[in-house]
Amino acid sequence: SQKIEQNSEALNIQEGKTATLTCNYTNYSPAYLQWYRQDPGRGPVFLLLIRENEKEKRKERLKVTFDTTLKQSLFHITASQPADSATYLCALPPSGSARQLTFGSGTQLTVLP
Amino acid sequence: EAGVAQSPRYKIIEKRQSVAFWCNPISGHATLYWYQQILGQGPKLLIQFQNNGVVDDSQLPKDRFSAERLKGVDSTLKIQPAKLEDSAVYLCASSLTSGRGETQYFGPGTRLLVL
Repeated sequence: SQKIEQNSEALNIQEGKTATLTCNYTNYSPAYLQWYRQDPGRGPVFLLLIRENEKEKRKERLKVTFDTTLKQSLFHITASQPADSATYLCALPPSGSARQLTFGSGTQLTVLP
Repeated sequence: EAGVAQSPRYKIIEKRQSVAFWCNPISGHATLYWYQQILGQGPKLLIQFQNNGVVDDSQLPKDRFSAERLKGVDSTLKIQPAKLEDSAVYLCASSLTSGRGETQYFGPGTRLLVL
């Protein structure tokens, strides 16, 4: 069955450093992958979508890579700020056996001042 | 533009009681989703509507959960009777269409605690 794995441990980094979050998937060949941000007590907010034919995508301080051979996406936040502290979720689209967008369990990021 | 509205924000009930959640999607969004998010997990889709028709309810526990979107706008999700394991955040989301890669906009969620 399809499986999505994100960093199981919470990630703490110092302000100004680059945060790197990992999303690995198995038994799946997604046409695209999405990243969302979720703050406590709020719903997820869409950040970026990267397609299978795109190796890298950037938006301001955010960068996402997509390696379909490794079945992995990396999510980078450069020059991190305390305001970037949140849980980050990756999500994969419906496929043959999964009929709906499937979310990973998320990685909790804390940026320390 | 106004976001997805949900109410109530919090609800505490005892097991075997019933509860209902309401969602008003972004104006003009044809697709509406209900998700269940258990603490420490990602959202899991319960049901997807396209206008007032059900597109996917394969993960909805139909013996106790029901949902409707009668006029193709707002929607209600009901649990009857509730079990302890239903304690979770119930998120409503909407998107303009159900096309591939379409961005989903989430509401703040309703946090349910079943005692």
